[in-house]
Amino acid sequence: AQSVTQLGSHVSVSEGALVLLRCNYSSSVPPYLFWYVQYPNQGLQLLLKYTSAATLVKGINGFEAEFKKSETSFHLTKPSAHMSDAAEYFCAVSDSGSGYSTLTFGKGTMLLVSP
Amino acid sequence: DTGVSQDPRHKITKRGQNVTFRCDPISEHNRLYWYRQTLGQGPEFLTYFQNEAQLEKSRLLSDRFSAERPKGSFSTLEIQRTEQGDSAMYLCASTTGTSGRADTQYFGPGTRLTVL
Repeated sequence: AQSVTQLGSHVSVSEGALVLLRCNYSSSVPPYLFWYVQYPNQGLQLLLKYTSAATLVKGINGFEAEFKKSETSFHLTKPSAHMSDAAEYFCAVSDSGSGYSTLTFGKGTMLLVSP
Repeated sequence: DTGVSQDPRHKITKRGQNVTFRCDPISEHNRLYWYRQTLGQGPEFLTYFQNEAQLEKSRLLSDRFSAERPKGSFSTLEIQRTEQGDSAMYLCASTTGTSGRADTQYFGPGTRLTVL
C-alpha cells in the first residue's frame, strides 16, 4: 500500500523567505504525486502534480516540486513566501486501482507566514 | 465553470440521529469520491463511484454509512445513528476519469459535521 509522510506539522517563515515543505512517499508502483492546498473552511485546491514526465513540476502561485526517486521525495518549494500562502498543504500519492485513482494523503503541513 | 458543491456546509446533530449530505460534482465528471477529514489529519478515502456504480468502499465506511449516486449525477452520503467519532469534515471530489491514476480530483468545500 502507498503512504505519504510530511515532515513538520507546522512550518513558519517570514514574508519573502524560501518556503520548503517536505514530503516522502512509499509506493509499490511508479508513483503519481500531488500537492494540494487548503485554506480555512475551504476544500482542497490542486497546486501541482507529478505524473512521470518532467521531474521538476511547476504549479500555480509560484510553487514547484521536484520528484527524486532515489530519495522517495517530492518536496514543495517557493522562492519567496507571500502572506497569502498561509494555509495547510497536503501531499498525496495516487493509489493503484483498476484505472481509477484514490488518493492517500499525508497529515498536512500548516504554513505560517509572518510579516 | 461551476465547481464541486456540497450541502450543507455545516451540520450539528445529536448522537443517534441520522444525517444526509449532498454532493454535486462538476457536470461532465463521471467519477465521484467521498473522503473524511478529521482534525489534524489529511483526508481519508471513503468510497468511489463511476457514474451510478459504487465501485469501491473503504474499511472506514461502516455499516452505518451509505452512499448513493442515482443517475450518475449528484451523490448523497448518509450516516445513521451518528456517533461522536463521526465528527469530521466530509469532502467530495470529482474527476473526468480520462487520465486514470493521473486524474486531477476537484474537491468541494466540504460538509463539517459536529455530533454532540
